[in-house]
Amino acid sequence: DAGVTQSPTHLIKTRGQQVTLRCSPKSGHDTVSWYQQALGQGPQFIFQYYEEEERQRGNFPDRFSGHQFPNYSSELNVNALLLGDSALYLCASSFTGTASTDTQYFGPGTRLTVL
Amino acid sequence: QKEVEQDPGPLSVPEGAIVSLNCTYSNSAFQYFMWYRQYSRKGPELLMYTYSSGNKEDGRFTAQVDKSSKYISLFIRDSQPSDSATYLCAMRRNSGNTPLVFGKGTRLSVIA
Repeated sequence: DAGVTQSPTHLIKTRGQQVTLRCSPKSGHDTVSWYQQALGQGPQFIFQYYEEEERQRGNFPDRFSGHQFPNYSSELNVNALLLGDSALYLCASSFTGTASTDTQYFGPGTRLTVL
Repeated sequence: QKEVEQDPGPLSVPEGAIVSLNCTYSNSAFQYFMWYRQYSRKGPELLMYTYSSGNKEDGRFTAQVDKSSKYISLFIRDSQPSDSATYLCAMRRNSGNTPLVFGKGTRLSVIA
């Protein structure tokens, strides 16, 4: 049973560019949440997708956007990259059901470096 | 004041020691509490998941939640060098996939 997968593993961009990160949830999961983890910090919630819609959003600007596909996979897009966007981007998948089943499981992350 | 406070360490202990990791929080609405382990340059791995107050044990790991004090703990018995990692506490308000709120993480080194 494959866990949460993310691609690419690592990428380097320059300021002002745009980037797309991808996530495939764990088998049986239908909900994807994205988090940003700066160096030495805990993950910060960006947004969550369920039934192909953004259901919840954290305190991140509109430069951060996303999408969920019918197969539950998801993309995170960041426009007009800033140096401060350099971080580990984590995808977490879960199943929206009873409380006992909505535990979030994380992928390995995509490390984004903005120069 | 941050919603979740966690001492970032680093914490260094000898192999076989009992490790105590802690978080405090300010929002009394938090009901679900988790501990994640994160190895360097990897994603967080769920270790323990607890609802409301009480204790939960899984092998060498014990999680404690004291909602009256807004304080949660993770104990690791007979610590091993393979336990060397960053430990993140996380919590959320209710069920239904509400966002996790994390502490900064405590970096632990277990020395053989």
